Amino acid sequence: SQQGEEDPQALSIQEGENATMNCSYKTSINNLQWYRQNSGRGLVHLILIRSNEREKHSGRLRVTLDTSKKSSSLLITASRAADTASYFCASPNTGGFKTIFGAGTRLFVKA
Amino acid sequence: NAGVTQTPKFRVLKTGQSMTLLCAQDMNHEYMYWYRQDPGMGLRLIHYSVGEGTTAKGEVPDGYNVSRLKKQNFLLGLESAAPSQTSVYFCASSYPPRNTEAFFGQGTRLTVV
Repeated sequence: SQQGEEDPQALSIQEGENATMNCSYKTSINNLQWYRQNSGRGLVHLILIRSNEREKHSGRLRVTLDTSKKSSSLLITASRAADTASYFCASPNTGGFKTIFGAGTRLFVKA
Repeated sequence: NAGVTQTPKFRVLKTGQSMTLLCAQDMNHEYMYWYRQDPGMGLRLIHYSVGEGTTAKGEVPDGYNVSRLKKQNFLLGLESAAPSQTSVYFCASSYPPRNTEAFFGQGTRLTVV
């Protein structure tokens, strides 16, 4: 079973709009990570937020973490066509030996 | 640095054939992983390794074997390929994932006919 589940499964927006994706997870985490996957490519790490952090920024990305609700959100501001990709949340399993991924959110940004 | 390199990038196999996928990383990472990704789904962990000479089963290990004879290499073997193993395979590596991210290869697209 997957550790994280993203919501929505797909999101279509206009260029310039903000995109918000959510991730819910099942067990206690040490950190939560967000990755991007362009079509036909490998995953690229975007940002990592630790369990004792509530919010983190990186350029146009803003990640929040609510450990009481076991949820995280990724906000991409002022989206661009180049942001079109699938976005995954992931976290180490309880033992910290392996990283488990959710099924992803497919984002389409229309120019 | 090359990062994580997967070989080959594409392969077509006939049912029952065997093959080995090679993953090489030059970042001196202890941890390495093999995932498979099927259409519309996320990544499912096949096997992983926490160090040279060690391997462990992930979520979907059946039909696959792995070896980690050298720290920089992680091999995924299919002894008798089946159509259900048609997928895109990704290798990744990391330091212990408790506080670090994983680095991914570009993937191997495998078709079993």
